[in-house]
Amino acid sequence: ILNVEQSPQSLHVQEGDSTNFTCSFPSSNFYALHWYRWETAKSPEALFVMTLNGDEKKKGRISATLNTKEGYSYLYIKGSQPEDSATYLCAFGGSNYKLTFGKGTLLTVNP
Amino acid sequence: KAGVTQTPRYLIKTRGQQVTLSCSPISGHRSVSWYQQTPGQGLQFLFEYFSETQRNKGNFPGRFSGRQFSNSRSEMNVSTLELGDSALYLCASSLAGTGSSYNSPLHFGNGTRLTVT
Repeated sequence: ILNVEQSPQSLHVQEGDSTNFTCSFPSSNFYALHWYRWETAKSPEALFVMTLNGDEKKKGRISATLNTKEGYSYLYIKGSQPEDSATYLCAFGGSNYKLTFGKGTLLTVNP
Repeated sequence: KAGVTQTPRYLIKTRGQQVTLSCSPISGHRSVSWYQQTPGQGLQFLFEYFSETQRNKGNFPGRFSGRQFSNSRSEMNVSTLELGDSALYLCASSLAGTGSSYNSPLHFGNGTRLTVT
């Protein structure tokens, strides 16, 4: 059974704070690591797809890094805004045509 | 471009009944995946289809089945419903091809909320 762990489970920050979360995944049979943002009453939305060790991706104030050798990825949000409040999910792509999701990090940004 | 469409949005069924959920992927997407989301469990993989073939199946009982049609639309069926099947069922499509299915992001529908009483 694949284990994809995300930490912390939840996080409360103030508007303007920078924050980061962690996704841990198996370091073998790695194909890709995905990050999604899931806002309340909406469907999950893809942020990044990373496939190479050392990958760094950026989208506005959000960025992500990937270390496949040690099996972790970090998601960073710079200068958090209330509209960043959402659950952030990572998903590991292994060798069997499926993505295994973590349980997510629930971010609340207080104005 | 239309997004992933799931119907119905809400369903209420009683134990023992069966249910069929539908998913229309984004035009041009041939891969369709289904996930179950329950509180505290996160998104659990049900199955993935590509060109009418199931390529992988999650750890769910045989009561959960699916299929994909030649136009890439997919259906999921749950027979003999149990209370524990109450969940949000999400469908996602992607541009994944015959090789690795991981380079393309998933595009999710709004889900079907199933309540079993």
